[in-house]
Amino acid sequence: DGGITQSPKYLFRKEGQNVTLSCEQNLNHDAMYWYRQDPGQGLRLIYYSQIVNDFQKGDIAEGYSVSREKKESFPLTVTSAQKNPTAFYLCASSPGTSVETQYFGPGTRLLVL
Amino acid sequence: AQKITQTQPGMFVQEKEAVTLDCTYDTSDPSYGLFWYKQPSSGEMIFLIYQGSYDQQNATEGRYSLNFQKARKSANLVISASQLGDSAMYFCAMRDQFSGGYNKLIFGAGTRLAVHP
Repeated sequence: DGGITQSPKYLFRKEGQNVTLSCEQNLNHDAMYWYRQDPGQGLRLIYYSQIVNDFQKGDIAEGYSVSREKKESFPLTVTSAQKNPTAFYLCASSPGTSVETQYFGPGTRLLVL
Repeated sequence: AQKITQTQPGMFVQEKEAVTLDCTYDTSDPSYGLFWYKQPSSGEMIFLIYQGSYDQQNATEGRYSLNFQKARKSANLVISASQLGDSAMYFCAMRDQFSGGYNKLIFGAGTRLAVHP
């Protein structure tokens, strides 16, 4: 089955710790995206990548970092510089730059201990 | 700046009846796309329907249809014959021209739909 997988489903972060959220897709999509969702709100774009070895900041990139070494994978690292990381993180992909349809993974809920 | 507005925080509908979820948008770009996504309690965003700004006809996908009124800048989602499984958050989104020619989606705040038996 083709789709997007995210792991873990729940993640706990201690103060000053970096954590990495995994996102993998087997849809052969070129573009991948990371969004953050806070309670009762819509999604906000953190980072996106149109092709391998290239990525761009979204609206709220501060305190986050990404890499795109493989087409299938787009991991997101939440660094200690992100002071309010508690949120629901969604990864998405689309065939290309047209963004006609973005398909989403099941999400990772990040909580701070 | 581009913006999506969903004015209904919550909606109730009786099972088997139709419901309309409102969405208005603001953009100066003549070419844009509008999307609706469903988010059940599990959290995953499920794509429902898409409307391009140059599409002549309103989009339909099964029980979902998009009432696109370009002059009024509205793109309301109509769900016919509601089912209990339709209970979820619904988000309207618009394709936004990003710097460098790339596109991104901007989302509204969402509407929570509750379907009652």
